[in-house]
Amino acid sequence: QSALTQPASVSGSPGQSITISCTGTSSDVGSYNLVSWYQQHPYKAPKLMIYEGSKRPSGVSNRFSGSKSGNTASLTISGLQAEDEADYYCCSYAGSSTFVVFGGGTKLTVL
Amino acid sequence: QVQLVQSGAEVKKPGASVKVSCQTSGYIFTNYYIHWVRQAPGQGLEWMGWINPNSGGTNYAQKFQGRVTMTRDTSISTAYMELTRLRADDTAVYYCARELWFGEWKAQFDPWGQGTLVTVSS
Repeated sequence: QSALTQPASVSGSPGQSITISCTGTSSDVGSYNLVSWYQQHPYKAPKLMIYEGSKRPSGVSNRFSGSKSGNTASLTISGLQAEDEADYYCCSYAGSSTFVVFGGGTKLTVL
Repeated sequence: QVQLVQSGAEVKKPGASVKVSCQTSGYIFTNYYIHWVRQAPGQGLEWMGWINPNSGGTNYAQKFQGRVTMTRDTSISTAYMELTRLRADDTAVYYCARELWFGEWKAQFDPWGQGTLVTVSS
């Protein structure tokens, strides 16, 4: 069982928008602005898509956006494209005892 | 550009140890923490710990304490992760990943190595 809770799967049609939630606790997501999101295609290494909750690294499409409310972080992908089909993982700093926690991952299917 | 290149796949017997390397290039090795993350087949990501390449200081997830050792060789800009007393459930792809931030760690990983498959089987 992962420390952060994500839906196992989400789907959407090309051009639509989807949102993936990531629910933690007041000890991790709720306490720190240090949530990151990773995209992982099959048999590939994860790729950073969002850091510090809502910031995009250079080169990441502005179709990807992040937000947080309370203990829940969210990743929104707008204008879905076929190449967005992948697994997405959230991650949070969790303090000086647990340090780092990941979500269980969400499989995005582009219909 | 920043690159992390890991050593090749390993097959080990239960009870053995494995040491995975992560050779870096394209930046000053001692300026950024290196993290290790693993992924069992069909499963999610699991953080194992970090090493500060400047000081050699380490921080391990509680689950791996006593079995994992992270080291580095600054002369060749390479980090290592050794896991001992291997069990079948240690079968996984092991990734190294550089911390995004200069000189500190905030659990934001970019970029990642290509991964090293470690198979534990009798």
